Formats: sequence, C-alpha cells, structure tokens
Amino acid sequence: EAQVTQNPRYLITVTGKKLTVTCSQNMNHEYMSWYRQDPGLGLRQIYYSMNVEVTDKGDVPEGYKVSRKEKRNFPLILESPSPNQTSLYFCASSWGQGGRETQYFGPGTRLLVL
Amino acid sequence: GQNIDQPTEMTATEGAIVQINCTYQTSGFNGLFWYQQHAGEAPTFLSYNVLDGLEEKGRFSSFLSRSKGYSYLLLKELQMKDSASYLCAVRVPSGGYNKLIFGAGTRLAVHP
Repeated sequence: EAQVTQNPRYLITVTGKKLTVTCSQNMNHEYMSWYRQDPGLGLRQIYYSMNVEVTDKGDVPEGYKVSRKEKRNFPLILESPSPNQTSLYFCASSWGQGGRETQYFGPGTRLLVL
Repeated sequence: GQNIDQPTEMTATEGAIVQINCTYQTSGFNGLFWYQQHAGEAPTFLSYNVLDGLEEKGRFSSFLSRSKGYSYLLLKELQMKDSASYLCAVRVPSGGYNKLIFGAGTRLAVHP
C-alpha cells in the first residue's frame, strides 16, 4: 500500500530534550516536506527536500533541522524543543511540484512540549 | 506577501448544497488545490485547478478565476461524512521550485 508513515504519532516531552520525528514514504517520491498545523494558521511549511541531500527552508524553519540521506526518509529534528513548538506536524511527499501532482500526507504527529 | 482567505466555519443541512469560497493574493500562481481534512487526520486531495473554469468530480466541483484571485469548492448532496475542514492551497514559485501556501481552512458542519 502506497503511504507516508510518521513516528511517533503522539509525543509529550520537556523543554530542551532533543527529539526526532521520523517520516518515510514507499512511493519513490523525490519531493518531501514538513508542515506544522496550528489553530487559525493553517499548514505552514517548515522544510522541504527536492531529492537526496537537497533540502531548503520553508516559511517557519527556526528551531528545526532536517536531513535527506535516503530517498524514502526525511526526519525532522528538534534540537532543543520549546513550548511554542507544540503543534500538529505533517510530513508530505510527491513525485514533483508541477501539474496535477498533489502531495500525499502522513497521519500526523501531535507534539506537546512542556 | 502571500495571503489566502477562507471562511472559518460553515454549517449546512444533509442533502443540501454548500459553496466554500477562497480568495488569494500571492506572488505568482501555478495552480490551486482543495484538500479535505477530518478532525485529527491527514489532509486528502480533492481537486486541482490551474485554468479558469469549473472542474467536476462526482459530488464535488471546484471553480477558478485567476483574474479575480478566487476559487470555490461546491459540495452537492451533502452527507454527514462531509463534516470536515476544507483547505484551499495555492502553488506558488519559490526559489526555482514550487511550494504550497495553505489557507487556514473552513470547518464545515453538516446537520441532519
């Protein structure tokens, strides 16, 4: 089954404790992206990757890191989480970024930083 | 700047028709998407418009006017399962690539 998976689905942590949210897709997609979703603000892009070893900042990259060492995986790293990073996070992937090509979203990771 | 506006909430009756509007002001335009998102779940693709006009897909239709920066999603024969948030997203050029800018979403409640 074609899908995007994220782990963990739910996470409660404390300020400053490094964490990683994994994202994996089995569709051989080149483009992957991370978003955060907050009430009243919609989905905002954190980082994106056009291919292996090619990543760039989105609209809200502060406090986050990413890496793309393999095509299928695109982990999101919070080196020192803070309460303002409490949010719902989605990973997404697509073949490219043109035409009717749409992004496929993972199930989401709900993060609470105390 | 980039701005996408949608109503925050709408209510409708089962079996009726509802139209969800989206207006946008963006730096560039390479297509407009509508996604459906049930509470606590991932967004799923509904429709795509890049040329002016109406795209019909079963009970769902989407309209685009590029000159007016305007789109709407039309849902016919509403069912209870259509209660969800509907996200309008515009694809814009960014640094040699494209990216999606999302509106805040419209939460639709369908009542019996």
